Amino acid sequence: GAGVSQSPSNKVTEKGKDVELRCDPISGHTALYWYRQRLGQGLEFLIYFQGNSAPDKSGLPSDRFSAERTGESVSTLTIQRTQQEDSAVYLCASSPPGLGITNEQFFGPGTRLTVL
Amino acid sequence: GNSVTQMEGPVTLSEEAFLTINCTYTATGYPSLFWYVQYPGEGLQLLLKATKADDKGSNKGFEATYRKETTSFHLEKGSVQVSDSAVYFCALRIPDSWGKLQFGAGTQVVVTP
Repeated sequence: GAGVSQSPSNKVTEKGKDVELRCDPISGHTALYWYRQRLGQGLEFLIYFQGNSAPDKSGLPSDRFSAERTGESVSTLTIQRTQQEDSAVYLCASSPPGLGITNEQFFGPGTRLTVL
Repeated sequence: GNSVTQMEGPVTLSEEAFLTINCTYTATGYPSLFWYVQYPGEGLQLLLKATKADDKGSNKGFEATYRKETTSFHLEKGSVQVSDSAVYFCALRIPDSWGKLQFGAGTQVVVTP
């Protein structure tokens, strides 16, 4: 079956431009997560969606970052007025419904963003 | 706060050598612990997990034991292969959360023939 997919795989943009990153979760997965991985660092949590509940945006680093998700489908992460420090790999993950505290998160291949 | 510390890489070793990647954590409560692996050009994959103290997670010849007394979750494999070359991430699931993961910085492992 299809895994989590992300597009584009690579994005090079100029400082000050807006970018939009897309994530297609695994069908039927109710939870969706965005993480950021800067060079040489671990993954930083950005935002979490669970079904129709209000998202947890506590990891978004600034108001230039926003994300949307329609129902239990595609999510887009938008970065406005990009800065060089936004350069990173942006990873999306989804997990199936259920109350299990060890529900596995399935990760996409990531989008490598380079801000010149 | 919650944090994960793992040994820096790259770790370079020969095929059939013994691999250990150290991971220690700080957390409030009793987290679940995970090792994820990222093979070149691929997404993160769950390698193994442990949900409570003294649990041992294992998969593909890798093992890790949840040690509450030393707050550690070291990853080991007795005989590595070239195909084990990857970046390995230790992570904890924050207690009383909805599933948010806290990751270590990752350790690159290079296995040479």
